[in-house]
Amino acid sequence: LAKTTQPISMDSYEGQEVNITCSHNNIATNDYITWYQQFPSQGPRFIIQGYKTKVTNEVASLFIPADRKSSTLSLPRVSLSDTAVYYCLVAPPISSGSARQLTFGSGTQLTVLP
Amino acid sequence: DGGITQSPKYLFRKEGQNVTLSCEQNLNHDAMYWYRQDPGQGLRLIYYSQIVNDFQKGDIAEGYSVSREKKESFPLTVTSAQKNPTAFYLCASSARVNSNQPQHFGDGTRLSIL
Repeated sequence: LAKTTQPISMDSYEGQEVNITCSHNNIATNDYITWYQQFPSQGPRFIIQGYKTKVTNEVASLFIPADRKSSTLSLPRVSLSDTAVYYCLVAPPISSGSARQLTFGSGTQLTVLP
Repeated sequence: DGGITQSPKYLFRKEGQNVTLSCEQNLNHDAMYWYRQDPGQGLRLIYYSQIVNDFQKGDIAEGYSVSREKKESFPLTVTSAQKNPTAFYLCASSARVNSNQPQHFGDGTRLSIL
């Protein structure tokens, strides 16, 4: 089971780039890394997913070093509306019979200040 | 508009009572999940289903039951055996079982004890 460790909280200012790092030292070969965003009283929302190297979409980038023991979510030019909890999930495909490992950690509370 | 609908948004349970939380998806997804979230905590997996008429226990299945009679629906019953049911319950789905497709979440049901 790939245990993840994230900072409990981070503060940033509007317009800055924010990097949130997740440590997953015992990641398995078939594990993927997925990041979700959650606002209060709502379900998490998918942000980005990757296996190795760098992935970029319209809202974020995900950097994964060669050893895959950590990953960094990068949010460019954050705004007040990016204030939320961000979760890093490391898990294999459900078909591997490992859906019991789909447990989200406590996440990182990002607060964007004006 | 495709998505996941959870109802009701708020639910109150009396002592010794069973209550059922509804989850419906129109995304044509094979896999569905139920999570529990306690204040300030991450999500913990209760049950998941890879296909109709099949479901598996997650990490905290005791005191809960599910059914998957239709692809679109995955109701969760919180039984009287669940002694601490007060929590935020989230339903999710993902496209296929043999992949690492990200999960789509509903907006949750908040269950409280009267």
